[in-house]
Amino acid sequence: DVKVTQSSRYLVKRTGEKVFLECVQDMDHENMFWYRQDPGLGLRLIYFSYDVKMKEKGDIPEGYSVSREKKERFSLILESASTNQTSMYLCASSLSATFYGYTFGSGTRLTVV
Amino acid sequence: AQKVTQAQTEISVVEKEDVTLDCVYETRDTTYYLFWYKQPPSGELVFLIRRNSFDEQNEISGRYSWNFQKSTSSFNFTITASQVVDSAVYFCALSEKGGYQKVTFGTGTKLQVIP
Repeated sequence: DVKVTQSSRYLVKRTGEKVFLECVQDMDHENMFWYRQDPGLGLRLIYFSYDVKMKEKGDIPEGYSVSREKKERFSLILESASTNQTSMYLCASSLSATFYGYTFGSGTRLTVV
Repeated sequence: AQKVTQAQTEISVVEKEDVTLDCVYETRDTTYYLFWYKQPPSGELVFLIRRNSFDEQNEISGRYSWNFQKSTSSFNFTITASQVVDSAVYFCALSEKGGYQKVTFGTGTKLQVIP
């Protein structure tokens, strides 16, 4: 069964901490994505990557960075966590999001206190 | 710019009722793709269907059916004889051929099916 795995389901961090959210896929997909989901706002794209070491900003990249050193792994980094980054974070991968849609992970619910 | 509107924030129905989730989209492209995803309480979004802009045929899959109408820019989703397991948040999404990996999601409709 193909999978996108996010390392943590729930995470609580303090303001100012550096936070790493990890995502691994086993489908050999070139494209990987990080979204955040907030009530009333739906899903908003933070960053995506179409190849190893390649990245593109999404709609809300401020306060975030990403790393993709290997094809199967895509990490989201909060350089200095703030309370307004409390959210559900969803990782996804795809052969082509435009044509085939996404396979999503289960999400990481991050609370910044 | 592309946009997806799901005007229904929350819907409650009694089990076995039919329910329709609305989705209205905006795009300037003539080639685009529409999607529906289901997010159960467990959190993982699950792909339900993809439809391209050149295929206006309605689709039925078991109790699920989708009605795509380009004239009204709508891609509505109907669940027939709803069940408690249908309780979830449902997202409609749009991608444009020209927009590289750009997928726009609606804000979601939370469906609660009451036993």
